[in-house]
Amino acid sequence: DGGITQSPKYLFRKEGQNVTLSCEQNLNHDAMYWYRQDPGQGLRLIYYSQIVNDFQKGDIAEGYSVSREKKESFPLTVTSAQKNPTAFYLCASSMSGQYYNEQFFGPGTRLTVL
Amino acid sequence: DAKTTQPNSMESNEEEPVHLPCNHSTISGTDYIHWYRQLPSQGPEYVIHGLTSNVNNRMASLAIAEDRKSSTLILHRATLRDAAVYYCILRVSGGSNYKLTFGKGTLLTVNP
Repeated sequence: DGGITQSPKYLFRKEGQNVTLSCEQNLNHDAMYWYRQDPGQGLRLIYYSQIVNDFQKGDIAEGYSVSREKKESFPLTVTSAQKNPTAFYLCASSMSGQYYNEQFFGPGTRLTVL
Repeated sequence: DAKTTQPNSMESNEEEPVHLPCNHSTISGTDYIHWYRQLPSQGPEYVIHGLTSNVNNRMASLAIAEDRKSSTLILHRATLRDAAVYYCILRVSGGSNYKLTFGKGTLLTVNP
């Protein structure tokens, strides 16, 4: 089945530690995205990538880093510089250019920093 | 970015139609209107999108006002599985801008 996988579903880390969230897609999509969601709020864009080896900052990139070495993978690192890292993190992918219609979302990773 | 305004919450009964409104008075001529929904503890799911004409798909219908300053998502027969937060989003067309800006959306409760 085609889709987006995120792992793990729940993640606990101690304050001050960097943590990397995984996102993989087998939809052959060029574009991938990372969003953050806080309780009762909408999603906010952290980073997005339209093609391999290229990515752009979204609205709240501070304290986060990404890489896009393969088309299928777009890992997100939450660094110790992120002041409030506890949140629900969602990865998405889409076709690009004239073929863009919708974003497909993964199931999310709930990160709790203790 | 052009903004959208939605009611915080709505309630419906199972098997009845649901009309979810969205105001977007500052919409520009090239903005598409997208709807997504999010079930509890899951990622959002695309529902429908349109530009000027009304649109139908297997999930819902989208009715767009003639002046495009408002739109309505229509669920023809609500089921318990339709209980979710519904987001109305404007997306600029063309170029390489695929950014979606999510507001708080409308929490739809469906009563059995």
